[in-house]
Amino acid sequence: QVQLQESGPGLVKPSETLSLTCTVSGGSISSHYWSWIRQPPGKGLEWIGYIHYSGSTNYTPSLKSRVTISVDTSKNQFSLNLSSVTAADTAIYYCARRPDGGSAFDIWGQGTMVTVSS
Amino acid sequence: SYELTQPLSVSVALGQTARITCGGNNIGSKNVHWYQQKPGQAPVLVIYTDSKRPSGIPERFSGSNSGNTATLTISRAQAGDEADYYCHVWDSSTVVFGGGTKLTVL
Repeated sequence: QVQLQESGPGLVKPSETLSLTCTVSGGSISSHYWSWIRQPPGKGLEWIGYIHYSGSTNYTPSLKSRVTISVDTSKNQFSLNLSSVTAADTAIYYCARRPDGGSAFDIWGQGTMVTVSS
Repeated sequence: SYELTQPLSVSVALGQTARITCGGNNIGSKNVHWYQQKPGQAPVLVIYTDSKRPSGIPERFSGSNSGNTATLTISRAQAGDEADYYCHVWDSSTVVFGGGTKLTVL
């Protein structure tokens, strides 16, 4: 079955760019919508944005100026770049799938903890 | 912006029925999804489109949605149901999550 796996640095310095990759296995990235969602320690879920395999994107308004999500269909991966990070960006970052024709996140990665600290 | 309101916590006796609510303006006109998150784990979809269960989710989990409130109902609650539960809708092409409800099984 389809599985998602996040990867990237666990520690990022303030003002730098957080970069994560989600690898899709067991299925093709060339369909569906692919999202990034984060969860600060002890807090709730926050959606960051999505990308469709065609390249169309949509971001949450509060992060739009700092976020870029891209897709590499040849590698079956999609990526998150979040610029000018601060301690408030410290969180577990999840990637998740929203199927074409649906609106729920039916498959999630295990999540990766990213800490912003000097 | 659209907001979803969930109780911070709900308690239920073992074997009884737990109901977790998700309030929002005219939420009955939207598709509501529910996720279960156990400590240290990623969220898992337990109800989608108001009342549908994904494959592998027990029939004890059910959902409803009308007016300004959506409800996740867990029948015959088990110790393994202890978790945080989040509701989710789409509004103006963006995702809205409820703040989450911690379910305690006594």
